[in-house]
Amino acid sequence: KAGVTQTPRYLIKTRGQQVTLSCSPISGHRSVSWYQQTPGQGLQFLFEYFSETQRNKGNFPGRFSGRQFSNSRSEMNVSTLELGDSALYLCASSLQHPSEQFFGPGTRLTVL
Amino acid sequence: GENVEQHPSTLSVQEGDSAVIKCTYSDSASNYFPWYKQELGKRPQLIIDIRSNVGEKKDQRIAVTLNKTAKHFSLHITETQPEDSAVYFCAASSGGGADGLTFGKGTHLIIQP
Repeated sequence: KAGVTQTPRYLIKTRGQQVTLSCSPISGHRSVSWYQQTPGQGLQFLFEYFSETQRNKGNFPGRFSGRQFSNSRSEMNVSTLELGDSALYLCASSLQHPSEQFFGPGTRLTVL
Repeated sequence: GENVEQHPSTLSVQEGDSAVIKCTYSDSASNYFPWYKQELGKRPQLIIDIRSNVGEKKDQRIAVTLNKTAKHFSLHITETQPEDSAVYFCAASSGGGADGLTFGKGTHLIIQP
């Protein structure tokens, strides 16, 4: 089976812009979770989607949003970008709860 | 919400020695505790996990123990090798049927030759 894929792999934006990141889970996985990884804060949970519904949400501002499509692919959007949003954004998919989450390679976002 | 504390932040051991990383969690409803290994520039990969109905699990040189009463769990790596050098993250997934892991801040494990 193909692994979790994320696009784009690298992104450079300026403050105030918005960005959309995409994640394709492993075939058959219906749960997709998103994480932000930074050197200072480590891995922080953003939100989780299952069957097109947000089931769980971390402690991030409303500028961070996401959605999931009927084929389980997921997108996350960050609006009004701030310098502090620079991070590696990882998505992970899983088959059922609780079970192993398989991570994608991440999207490296740089906000200038 | 859940809070996971992980110690130490850096651990240096001689090749062949054992390494122990400890984590505590706050939510007594948490029921799944995975450990991930992340090498530089790579994605996190699961190395072992344990569910709340089990006290210990072992896979070759790696073992995890869980104490539900004290709300802490530990990773034990025996006979460490150079390829064990990486950052290790513990995590907890709370009950309620939804995924979403709360991670510790990570331990940078350095294996000295």
